Amino acid sequence: DAKTTQPPSMDCAEGRAANLPCNHSTISGNEYVYWYRQIHSQGPQYIIHGLKNNETNEMASLIITEDRKSSTLILPHATLRDTAVYYCIALTQGGSEKLVFGKGTKLTVNP
Amino acid sequence: DAGVIQSPRHEVTEMGQEVTLRCKPISGHNSLFWYRQTMMRGLELLIYFNNNVPIDDSGMPEDRFSAKMPNASFSTLKIQPSEPRDSAVYFCASRDINTIYFGEGSWLTVV
Repeated sequence: DAKTTQPPSMDCAEGRAANLPCNHSTISGNEYVYWYRQIHSQGPQYIIHGLKNNETNEMASLIITEDRKSSTLILPHATLRDTAVYYCIALTQGGSEKLVFGKGTKLTVNP
Repeated sequence: DAGVIQSPRHEVTEMGQEVTLRCKPISGHNSLFWYRQTMMRGLELLIYFNNNVPIDDSGMPEDRFSAKMPNASFSTLKIQPSEPRDSAVYFCASRDINTIYFGEGSWLTVV
């Protein structure tokens, strides 16, 4: 798996957009960028994934740079319940390799 | 679908006792993962299975830990004998082609 790097922590005001960056400069052509989050004491929750096009779902948007070396997860209107650790991971689809988590970014949404 | 189901949700046991954690993956998923999470070490992959076959158990800490997947709908993680340093949250996850889904975890305390 490609190694990803994320800032250890970020703060965001409630109602504002939260933009979480991730660097994955060694990502290979068939690896997708996945984002998960873990709210305290719960299991990690899938958010979104993409290969090279920007993606949007009901939870978030994912912006991937053209060279695919970095991406940004956007929570358009952060709420207090979005306070969590966010993990960015590179992974192939349909493969049998393991999903390895780094330390992620601790996002704190402040009132 | 009920998602990945783990049991027990919480267990407190005495040092030296055998502990068995159970997991029911999402129907149709062909990969299953066991993770351990502690404050010090974060989320660690212990072992994963593909089509019920163990693929990589390099994360299993020592011989006291063992995991089985006798069929596509059930897996166990056993610790025998348990030690206080095994206290952690143990997550099971299963994967389809696109996404990995996690259970809510089993909170283990060994006293």
